[in-house]
Amino acid sequence: QQPVQSPQAVILREGEDAVINCSSSKALYSVHWYRQKHGEAPVFLMILLKGGEQKGHEKISASFNEKKQQSSLYLTASQLSYSGTYFCGTPGRDDKIIFGKGTRLHILP
Amino acid sequence: KAGVTQTPRYLIKTRGQQVTLSCSPISGHRSVSWYQQTPGQGLQFLFEYFSETQRNKGNFPGRFSGRQFSNSRSEMNVSTLELGDSALYLCASMDLAYEQYFGPGTRLTVT
Repeated sequence: QQPVQSPQAVILREGEDAVINCSSSKALYSVHWYRQKHGEAPVFLMILLKGGEQKGHEKISASFNEKKQQSSLYLTASQLSYSGTYFCGTPGRDDKIIFGKGTRLHILP
Repeated sequence: KAGVTQTPRYLIKTRGQQVTLSCSPISGHRSVSWYQQTPGQGLQFLFEYFSETQRNKGNFPGRFSGRQFSNSRSEMNVSTLELGDSALYLCASMDLAYEQYFGPGTRLTVT
């Protein structure tokens, strides 16, 4: 089943923070996060595994709450380069990764 | 390491024709997945191959098929093309840490 992402779109000014949520109606084993810029392929950001471990990549971090069956992506002090569409992907027991519909993030100077 | 490559990058076909897309994964990666991306439906999983075997399949009609060769290169075939098959087809290879790396995609237009 497809994970649900919220919000669908966000517009921020450079330097502001953003949170993107990803929730699933089924048990999560892991959550993958990707960013896709317009006209480009999705790029892997990070993977979070069971255990609630928070991972980080520069000023982008994420958490995974397996009890709530959700993950959140945190973008701190956003930069223009953060603009794009963010997808979360949730693998099932068969490792098939199903992606959410994406959250469009637009950073204004 | 070279990234995932896909050929061709752009393709225009007519309804009823068939098409074959090719994907070369990152060296050493044995898993290759295919996705269809459209503005309305987002990224939809087509199938995954691992060591020449189809390991997973999405909810697409039988007109969509694929295969993987012993060198991990993969092809996907769509027969009897329909207008609704117009999309960006992405292939991704996965390493042992379950990190997926996407190719640039093949933009298929069906007229």
